[in-house]
Amino acid sequence: GDSVTQMEGPVTLSEEAFLTINCTYTATGYPSLFWYVQYPGEGLQLLLKATKADDKGSNKGFEATYRKETTSFHLEKGSVQVSDSAVYFCALTDTGNQFYFGTGTSLTVIP
Amino acid sequence: DTAVSQTPKYLVTQMGNDKSIKCEQNLGHDTMYWYKQDSKKFLKIMFSYNNKELIINETVPNRFSPKSPDKAHLNLHINSLELGDSAVYFCASRLVGGTGELFFGEGSRLTVL
Repeated sequence: GDSVTQMEGPVTLSEEAFLTINCTYTATGYPSLFWYVQYPGEGLQLLLKATKADDKGSNKGFEATYRKETTSFHLEKGSVQVSDSAVYFCALTDTGNQFYFGTGTSLTVIP
Repeated sequence: DTAVSQTPKYLVTQMGNDKSIKCEQNLGHDTMYWYKQDSKKFLKIMFSYNNKELIINETVPNRFSPKSPDKAHLNLHINSLELGDSAVYFCASRLVGGTGELFFGEGSRLTVL
């Protein structure tokens, strides 16, 4: 079945450091891919998405490219801020009703 | 204008009690979900309804009973609460088909003493 494997955390970075959170997926069809962010005490919010191979999703300085050949959707940001401290979830959905989430990666950015 | 709203945000109760969480979405979506998030932030799908019809029913104790009176509402009732039910419960909705991203509520934190 479909699944998402996400880099384990926690991740601690200094402000302005480069961020990569790895995400790989297994899917039988052509899924849509997502990154969600959960700030402390809040629900999950969509950060970015990509719906087909080679699409790049971007938002708030974060980027991820849908790589079909490596079945990956790694999240990157060139310069993190303290306000980026949160838990990040990679997810996919196929044409059905199921939504598959990774286990989440906790990011802490220190000044 | 909250898109997916859950009430209450916090519940603190004793073991053995019964509690309900309500969810409403004003996005015109056709599918709603309940997720449970444990202390390690792992998200577990519990139920999903599409146009009031139950379509996903994961391995969840039958003390948990969802109810969808219409496609904009999905409630969760929990009987005979146990310590292990303590978690944050999230409601979510989406329009199935297309990119169909999930929209989440703010969560309901349940603490069972």
